[in-house]
Amino acid sequence: QVQLVESGGGVVQPGRSLRLSCVTSGFTFSSCGMHWVRQAPGKGLEWVAVIWSDGSNRFYADSVKGRFTITRDNSKNTLYLQMNSLTAEDTAVYYCASGAIISTWTFDYWGQGTLVTVSS
Amino acid sequence: QSALTQPASVSGSPGQSITISCTGTSSDVGSYNLVSWYQQHPGKAPKLMIYEGTKRPSGVSNRFSGSKSGNTASLTISGLQAEDEADYYCCSYAGTSTFVVFGGGTKLTVL
Repeated sequence: QVQLVESGGGVVQPGRSLRLSCVTSGFTFSSCGMHWVRQAPGKGLEWVAVIWSDGSNRFYADSVKGRFTITRDNSKNTLYLQMNSLTAEDTAVYYCASGAIISTWTFDYWGQGTLVTVSS
Repeated sequence: QSALTQPASVSGSPGQSITISCTGTSSDVGSYNLVSWYQQHPGKAPKLMIYEGTKRPSGVSNRFSGSKSGNTASLTISGLQAEDEADYYCCSYAGTSTFVVFGGGTKLTVL
């Protein structure tokens, strides 16, 4: 069955960096665009970034542009999110989600999320 | 403030039908046939319920249906069941500048 498993979350001080990983299985990772979506405590969903199936294009929400970098390793079926210059506003559960084959902009499978807390 | 507007809460009794609206603009909901709906139970990951406005993924109950008119999309749940109690989020592609917008979420209570 399809599985997406995020890791790398934790408590980090403002201004520091963190790298999230999302290991996937059960589907053809190299054929799917992949996304990061976050959810601040008690709040709604916020799209963060997308990367094309071959890594040729990457796009970001304005709130993270210039600070976050999405990458992927198709040989390892793994998605990454490098987060730099973190602020308290980045505190959230970070989900990786696969873009559907029919449309990259439909999130058909989600991981369980990893919590990032930015605090001094 | 979220880009798409949803009611904060809706409620219904078992067996009844409810509809959740999702209002966007001509730059998102109104321009693209790429509205999706997600169900999220407390402490769980979101789950895709409707895509491309009206289509149901395999395995999703046919009690869930979607529609769109102009800049407003809607999710209807018929024959409410206790297990439907959850938060529901709409989402739309919004073009090559903003890319993706979500609604603020609607909490469904089954009375």
